[in-house]
Amino acid sequence: GEDVEQSLFLSVREGDSSVINCTYTDSSSTYLYWYKQEPGAGLQLLTYIFSNMDMKQDQRLTVLLNKKDKHLSLRIADTQTGDSAIYFCAESEASNTGKLIFGQGTTLQVKP
Amino acid sequence: NAGVTQTPKFQVLKTGQSMTLQCAQDMNHNSMYWYRQDPGMGLRLIYYSASEGTTDKGEVPNGYNVSRLNKREFSLRLESAAPSQTSVYFCAARADGELFFGEGSRLTVL
Repeated sequence: GEDVEQSLFLSVREGDSSVINCTYTDSSSTYLYWYKQEPGAGLQLLTYIFSNMDMKQDQRLTVLLNKKDKHLSLRIADTQTGDSAIYFCAESEASNTGKLIFGQGTTLQVKP
Repeated sequence: NAGVTQTPKFQVLKTGQSMTLQCAQDMNHNSMYWYRQDPGMGLRLIYYSASEGTTDKGEVPNGYNVSRLNKREFSLRLESAAPSQTSVYFCAARADGELFFGEGSRLTVL
């Protein structure tokens, strides 16, 4: 079945760039997503990329998709302490159910 | 997270007790989902409902039942709670490719 893998933890200094990586298994996924979860809150969509795109940029966020290697990354430029959160990668399931398959989440710690 | 409301936000149960988590959305979306979140395991789909009156099992349905009484509401029931069901539960509704999540219900089973 589908699977999404992420590293569990990343620590960076304020002002540095953060790169969170994700691998997925379903090559027929239409969309790939990045969600952000702040402590005690639900998940909020940060950005998504359509499977026929290689890159998407949105202000400080850059998403890179390598479809051949089934690798997705999220780069946060000029990381701030407010970016500290858990980041989830997700892929849309191949069937038309609208289900998303989530990775385990990467905890980003930003040190001042 | 406006648009998807979950209740209760916190609940403590004893093993064997039953309870229902309520979820309502005011965005007129067809698809609704229940996920559970556990440390190091991300979100796992329990049940989903593609439209009013239909429900389907997700990845981890055992020990749960759901009910989609109308388009707006999708409830999750634990008939006989077990400590393994201690988790944070999230309801979500889908529109235009995006999932909108509620704020979560933290359930502890003793």
